[in-house]
Amino acid sequence: DQQVKQNSPSLSVQEGRISILNCDYTNSMFDYFLWYKKYPAEGPTFLISISSIKDKNEDGRFTVFLNKSAKHLSLHIVPSQPGDSAVYFCAARGNNDMRFGAGTRLTVKP
Amino acid sequence: DAGVTQSPTHLIKTRGQQVTLRCSPKSGHDTVSWYQQALGQGPQFIFQYYEEEERQRGNFPDRFSGHQFPNYSSELNVNALLLGDSALYLCASSLYMGGSSYNSPLHFGNGTRLTVT
Repeated sequence: DQQVKQNSPSLSVQEGRISILNCDYTNSMFDYFLWYKKYPAEGPTFLISISSIKDKNEDGRFTVFLNKSAKHLSLHIVPSQPGDSAVYFCAARGNNDMRFGAGTRLTVKP
Repeated sequence: DAGVTQSPTHLIKTRGQQVTLRCSPKSGHDTVSWYQQALGQGPQFIFQYYEEEERQRGNFPDRFSGHQFPNYSSELNVNALLLGDSALYLCASSLYMGGSSYNSPLHFGNGTRLTVT
């Protein structure tokens, strides 16, 4: 069962523009959400997280938005840089369970 | 400050064999979780160890077992390997805070690529 879905397997944006990565979840028990970035031949690296008591969390160029009623979260990267090119996973935690989405491959073109 | 280290990086085994993968957590971390990542999918939770005991387990058969040592390092063992066990196996460490590693972000190693032929 896919409780965390990233419906876009890939996304391509121009350097300097905004990248928006989306994630949907189905389990209302999830109350903590994370984004990880993965380069080839490396493990996922923690990027940013958000608790369900918030609707926005910002860290430099990265902002995560949470819409609990829609069970949807998104990661905004502004401005996008070529070094941001990687696979991005969203993850959701709740009730001692943690699930990952299948990932979105972001390509930032110079 | 050493991050999470895993060994070996690559491994090729035959169906029916057994395999042991190893993980050393990030310095200061006391909890180790193991994940399986098949091609094109996100990491799937196998189990988590804290204080040398399995604390949580995902939907994986008993062929998958583990161990945590007093120095917090961990092993993942898979018996009777199947072709479908071919995947990237990721180890992640975190800190067990206040009785839970709930809000402690996972720090992943680079993984062990297991190929079963």
